[in-house]
Amino acid sequence: KQEVTQIPAALSVPEGENLVLNCSFTDSAIYNLQWFRQDPGKGLTSLLLIQSSQREQTSGRLNASLDKSSGRSTLYIAASQPGDSATYLCAPESGGSNYKLTFGKGTLLTVNP
Amino acid sequence: GAVVSQHPSWVICKSGTSVKIECRSLDFQATTMFWYRQFPKQSLMLMATSNEGSKATYEQGVEKDKFLINHASLTLSTLTVTSAHPEDSSFYICSARRRNQPQHFGDGTRLSIL
Repeated sequence: KQEVTQIPAALSVPEGENLVLNCSFTDSAIYNLQWFRQDPGKGLTSLLLIQSSQREQTSGRLNASLDKSSGRSTLYIAASQPGDSATYLCAPESGGSNYKLTFGKGTLLTVNP
Repeated sequence: GAVVSQHPSWVICKSGTSVKIECRSLDFQATTMFWYRQFPKQSLMLMATSNEGSKATYEQGVEKDKFLINHASLTLSTLTVTSAHPEDSSFYICSARRRNQPQHFGDGTRLSIL
């Protein structure tokens, strides 16, 4: 059974800082891994998707890396802004016919102006 | 593209009531839809997976008679919480996907049972 751990659970930084969110997962037999953003009381917004054959993906100020063999992924946010404040969720997707996402508890990010 | 609409966004009802939540893929045909539940400060937990025209597959520990899922078309799935009780209060989120494409999520439904 896949288990996902995200560290830290919460993070508060001043605006402009670069930061790293960490994700580890126990079963490396994944199809891909996604990072999502969740605002309070809202659904999920997909930020980045890394296929299992890839090492990283970039979108704007976001960069996600994947080390499948060691069961780790990181999300790097450059030049953080108050609008980045949200909960960030990591979710590896299992392969095969099920294609299930397993979510971590998330990292609650607060960027202070 | 790939918009998923979930309705209602918030519902409050009395204990013993049955509540239906709809999940629609607005601009694509979803071969598979998923239903998740999220308790405060917890991760999303998959409840069930449904494919159009077939019975839903429930995760271990999820009561299929309690949480009825219908996926009658390629754009609509419904979750009915039957005889809801306060412990069923939670945030329910659906997602939908096309074959070999990522899941797209709805905005969620906050269910409060009094």
